[in-house]
Amino acid sequence: QKEVEQNSGPLSVPEGAIASLNCTYSDRGSQSFFWYRQYSGKSPELIMFIYSNGDKEDGRFTAQLNKASQYVSLLIRDSQPSDSATYLCAVNRMNTGFQKLVFGTGTRLLVSP
Amino acid sequence: KAGVTQTPRYLIKTRGQQVTLSCSPISGHRSVSWYQQTPGQGLQFLFEYFSETQRNKGNFPGRFSGRQFSNSRSEMNVSTLELGDSALYLCASSFPWTVDESEAFFGQGTRLTVV
Repeated sequence: QKEVEQNSGPLSVPEGAIASLNCTYSDRGSQSFFWYRQYSGKSPELIMFIYSNGDKEDGRFTAQLNKASQYVSLLIRDSQPSDSATYLCAVNRMNTGFQKLVFGTGTRLLVSP
Repeated sequence: KAGVTQTPRYLIKTRGQQVTLSCSPISGHRSVSWYQQTPGQGLQFLFEYFSETQRNKGNFPGRFSGRQFSNSRSEMNVSTLELGDSALYLCASSFPWTVDESEAFFGQGTRLTVV
C-alpha cells in the first residue's frame, strides 16, 4: 500500500464546475496535509495547508480533512482553464522531529472552456 | 519577501561527473529539505537539514549528500553521476516549530540532465 494515494486522472471538468480531488494516506501519525499545484515543467506551488479536522476555505479552494478516515480532499469551485495542472497531495509527520513530506503521484486536472 | 532560490536552474553533466546544487531558503526559515522528481517515481524525499544538522535521509545511495550552512543556505552534492540521476531537484524551505507553522515552500528547482 502506498503511503499517499491519489487517482492519477485526468479529471476533466467544464469551466465553472466544481473539481473534487481526493487523497488517502496510510500513516495515522501524519499531522499536516498539503495541496500543491504543479504546472508542466514548473515547481510545486502551495495552494492549501490543513492540520485540523474539518474544512478550510481560501478563495475558490476548500481543503477537507478527516483524520479518522485518513482522507484529504480539495475542492475547486468555479474551475478555470488556468486551473489545469497536476495537483499533488502531501502529508507530513512532525512528531519524529523532522520535516518530511510524503507525496502522492498527483491528479491531473483538465478544465475545458 | 523573497522566495526559495535554487541555482543553477539547468545543468547538463556527463556520467561519472559530480554536481553541486544550491538552495537559499526564505529568510527566517531554518529547515531545508531536498526532493527528487522524476516521471516514473514522482517526488521523493532526499534529506532534510535543520540548524546545520541532517535530521533525516531518504532511501538514496550515499552518492547523494548535502550540507547546510549557518545562514541556512544548503547545498546538495551528487557524485559519480548516473543516467538515472536525471531529474528535477527541488528544495523546500519551512519553519517547522509547530504543526500550524509547517508549510513548506518550494524553489524553482534545478533540472539536471546526465548524458
